[in-house]
Amino acid sequence: EAGVTQSPTHLIKTRGQQATLRCSPISGHTSVYWYQQALGLGLQFLLWYDEGEERNRGNFPPRFSGRQFPNYSSELNVNALELEDSALYLCASSLGGTGRYQPQHFGDGTRLSIL
Amino acid sequence: TQLLEQSPQFLSIQEGENLTVYCNSSSVFSSLQWYRQEPGEGPVLLVTVVTGGEVKKLKRLTFQFGDARKDSSLHITAAQPGDTGLYLCAGAKAGGTSYGKLTFGQGTILTVHP
Repeated sequence: EAGVTQSPTHLIKTRGQQATLRCSPISGHTSVYWYQQALGLGLQFLLWYDEGEERNRGNFPPRFSGRQFPNYSSELNVNALELEDSALYLCASSLGGTGRYQPQHFGDGTRLSIL
Repeated sequence: TQLLEQSPQFLSIQEGENLTVYCNSSSVFSSLQWYRQEPGEGPVLLVTVVTGGEVKKLKRLTFQFGDARKDSSLHITAAQPGDTGLYLCAGAKAGGTSYGKLTFGQGTILTVHP
């Protein structure tokens, strides 16, 4: 069974540009989560999508946005990139929200570097 | 404010030694996860504990959830070089603004020397 896949593996941008990161969940999983892992800050929750809807959002500015497609894959968009956005962006997936916590399984991430 | 405090941050031991990593909070979690992450890879789920006082064993790894569901520990017996990596605890809460998100500890970097 294929795990969570993310693309691209690495992305290099300059300040002010826009970045798009992609994630395909484990087959059968309908929930997708995005986390930022920045040096010295640990993993921080960004966004949660389930059945195409945004269900929860972490403490990040509005220039971080995303969407989930009908096939449950997801995109994370970061506009007006800043140097501090340099980080590993991790996507996780789980079975759909049923009111009970479902374990989250992570991909290997996209390394975003801002020059 | 770090809701989950992990200790120690760094651990360097010899092969065959035992070790314990702690994850503490003042908040109650509905479940707690332990992950292991290696360089260049994403975190891999080791275990989920959901009941206060629960103990789970995975080969040489023993995980415990505190009775009050505020803390957890990971104990490794007879550590091997293959256990080297970053160990992360992550808590989940039910409902409200916490729904769906995991709150992570800062992580413990474990190095096991042959």
